[in-house]
Amino acid sequence: AQSVTQLGSHVSVSEGALVLLRCNYSSSVPPYLFWYVQYPNQGLQLLLKYTSAATLVKGINGFEAEFKKSETSFHLTKPSAHMSDAAEYFCAVSEGAGNMLTFGGGTRLMVKP
Amino acid sequence: GAVVSQHPSWVICKSGTSVKIECRSLDFQATTMFWYRQFPKQSLMLMATSNEGSKATYEQGVEKDKFLINHASLTLSTLTVTSAHPEDSSFYICSALVGGSYNEQFFGPGTRLTVL
Repeated sequence: AQSVTQLGSHVSVSEGALVLLRCNYSSSVPPYLFWYVQYPNQGLQLLLKYTSAATLVKGINGFEAEFKKSETSFHLTKPSAHMSDAAEYFCAVSEGAGNMLTFGGGTRLMVKP
Repeated sequence: GAVVSQHPSWVICKSGTSVKIECRSLDFQATTMFWYRQFPKQSLMLMATSNEGSKATYEQGVEKDKFLINHASLTLSTLTVTSAHPEDSSFYICSALVGGSYNEQFFGPGTRLTVL
């Protein structure tokens, strides 16, 4: 069985500060990992994904995430937060191509001016 | 990227009525679509996997007779909430699986259902 834990349901940073959103997973097979962003009343937009290639994955909007097998983690970072980054972020895992996604509980990112 | 649409985006209905939500892949064919439910300030919970031309696979705890899924074509899946009740009020999101892209799901914009 696969599962995802996102530490911190709410994260608040100042504009220009580092963004760090935490994600830990469990999977019985090498996982595929994803980060999605959701703006209010909208669907999900893929930020980035890890599919067993490079462990450091770069995504859209300046976000990146590093797959660390030893720590079973896939934390999302961005060097400098923008006000437009304020949204809900979801980490997700799947156990292979075409398989279902299991989502973490989500982290609401708030950016203070 | 691939575009997925949902219709309607928001629906309000009376208790006891049935509501149909459409999920369309606009510029690609999707043999597999997924339906998720999201309660306010919560994560997405997979309801069912919809495969074109076959019966949907429902997750544990999801009533298949209440949430009817039809995937009659490669670009359209529908979710019908039958005899809706206020507790069915939620945000319903579909996604479509793009073949050959290592399990990338493209999500629709969601449908907000409010049952009075």
